[in-house]
Amino acid sequence: EAQVTQNPRYLITVTGKKLTVTCSQNMNHEYMSWYRQDPGLGLRQIYYSMNVEVTDKGDVPEGYKVSRKEKRNFPLILESPSPNQTSLYFCASSLSGGMNTEAFFGQGTRLTVV
Amino acid sequence: GENVEQHPSTLSVQEGDSAVIKCTYSDSASNYFPWYKQELGKRPQLIIDIRSNVGEKKDQRIAVTLNKTAKHFSLHITETQPEDSAVYFCALGTSYDKVIFGPGTSLSVIP
Repeated sequence: EAQVTQNPRYLITVTGKKLTVTCSQNMNHEYMSWYRQDPGLGLRQIYYSMNVEVTDKGDVPEGYKVSRKEKRNFPLILESPSPNQTSLYFCASSLSGGMNTEAFFGQGTRLTVV
Repeated sequence: GENVEQHPSTLSVQEGDSAVIKCTYSDSASNYFPWYKQELGKRPQLIIDIRSNVGEKKDQRIAVTLNKTAKHFSLHITETQPEDSAVYFCALGTSYDKVIFGPGTSLSVIP
């Protein structure tokens, strides 16, 4: 089954404790991205990757890191989480760059930083 | 920077009525205009999309119209049903391959 898988689904952590949210897709998509969803603000792009070893900042990259060492994986790293990073996070992949093709979303990760 | 406005932010309609959501944008290089539906507690999913060489596209009860000159595109849902209740997002790709989503419209269909 074609899918995007995120883990974990729920995470509560403390300020400053490094964490990683994993994202994996099995559709051989070139383009992957991370979004955060906050009430009234919709989906805001954090980082995106056009292909292996190619990553770029989205609209809200501060406080986040990503890597794309393999085509299927695109982990999101919070080196020193802060309470303002409490949010719902979605990973997505699509066949080609930008939004030129349908984006497939993971199940979401609800992160709480206390 | 690039911006997408979406209106209305909330919309309530009676079952069977039509619903229209409109998005306006500023990046004239955008050429792909999808709409996503997000049901409560679930992930966004594509429901319909349109490309810049097409003015209108229909899929059963939903349709999207595009006016590139005026830089806006709209989602039309006819004969609404309770299962249409969700948050709807428009989106577009920018000239730098970034993606911008509208802030969303919460649609409630009242039985």
